[in-house]
Amino acid sequence: NAGVTQTPKFQVLKTGQSMTLQCAQDMNHNSMYWYRQDPGMGLRLIYYSASEGTTDKGEVPNGYNVSRLNKREFSLRLESAAPSQTSVYFCASGQGSNQPQHFGDGTRLSIL
Amino acid sequence: AQRVTQPEKLLSVFKGAPVELKCNYSYSGSPELFWYVQYSRQRLQLLLRHISRESIKGFTADLNKGETSFHLKKPFAQEEDSAMYYCALPPSGGSYIPTFGRGTSLIVHP
Repeated sequence: NAGVTQTPKFQVLKTGQSMTLQCAQDMNHNSMYWYRQDPGMGLRLIYYSASEGTTDKGEVPNGYNVSRLNKREFSLRLESAAPSQTSVYFCASGQGSNQPQHFGDGTRLSIL
Repeated sequence: AQRVTQPEKLLSVFKGAPVELKCNYSYSGSPELFWYVQYSRQRLQLLLRHISRESIKGFTADLNKGETSFHLKKPFAQEEDSAMYYCALPPSGGSYIPTFGRGTSLIVHP
């Protein structure tokens, strides 16, 4: 039982490049989330998916797109990376109301 | 609107000293509340939750509805407690979005 799995763990991009961060969960959770974590800013929600087939913007969606491919997988795409998107990205899943979230190990993304 | 406030960005103590990480919340109704811990360069993990009322790794947290607080306490800090701690309200009602505090970095000096 792997929980929430994110790939890659590390990535360095040049400004303007694109990439997709992958996330998969094996806990049969309906909801999935993408966060970014920056020093002094805590966790900020980028996008979330309440259930398969739906996605919604979070607090900081600009510059990102997401795809809920199926119940297990939720990907985050940077179409044209910018240095301001240098961050640690966490995927999480949750069972629903009043339940905790389960997090992946994170992706450390540097954009030069 | 839901809100979670962790007033301290950084808390620095010596080994063996008591620790209290503060968390205040704004929520209409009876909240469930969580503390998550994130050790250096690792994932966030659930440390404890209000409803279970258990002690994990020597940490406890009591919900004080009058003060709208859920402070995390440990009587004797250990060096391995050094980590980032987040207080959070889970999704509730019709919302799917949890509310996290900004986090408190705990450093325990030898």
